[in-house]
Amino acid sequence: ETGVTQSPTHLIKTRGQQVTLRCSSQSGHNTVSWYQQALGQGPQFIFQYYREEENGRGNFPPRFSGLQFPNYSSELNVNALELDDSALYLCASSLRDGEDTQYFGPGTRLTVL
Amino acid sequence: DAKTTQPNSMESNEEEPVHLPCNHSTISGTDYIHWYRQLPSQGPEYVIHGLTSNVNNRMASLAIAEDRKSSTLILHRATLRDAAVYYCILRADYGGSQGNLIFGKGTKLSVKP
Repeated sequence: ETGVTQSPTHLIKTRGQQVTLRCSSQSGHNTVSWYQQALGQGPQFIFQYYREEENGRGNFPPRFSGLQFPNYSSELNVNALELDDSALYLCASSLRDGEDTQYFGPGTRLTVL
Repeated sequence: DAKTTQPNSMESNEEEPVHLPCNHSTISGTDYIHWYRQLPSQGPEYVIHGLTSNVNNRMASLAIAEDRKSSTLILHRATLRDAAVYYCILRADYGGSQGNLIFGKGTKLSVKP
């Protein structure tokens, strides 16, 4: 059983650019959640996808968008990057079975210059 | 989601027990108490969760106060590998799935050899 994987590991972009981050869920999981973790802070919930539909969103602007594919892998897209978007982006997969234990990937470190 | 309060940091000696406290005075009857930890340069990792009764698993024990307004995560014998940020999180039960993880700043645990 493979765990949650994310790509790329690190990424450097400039202000105004767009970025796509990718996440492969743990085998058998149908739900993916994305989190943003600024340095020294706890992760902040961005949104969740369940069976390819957005199923809950945190306090993030519309330039943060996502997709979930039929194989339950997922993408996080951020448009018009700002300096404050520099953070560790974490993906977590889970199985909607009542307990919903979330299994996190190692994250993608995004730096916006 | 209800809020939790944790000490910013704690220290422990290797092979000694560690008691990590969490206050959640505004907890509702359907909130589960979850603990996750984040080792350096990794994504968060599930530790344990409970509702009313004390819980044990291979990683830790969770002691829940009778009024559920506080809980304690117990690591029975701390190892150097247990040095991490520990997050206490309340998750609402929506009858078949649970609310998203709302992280605070957590408690940074240092373990001395």
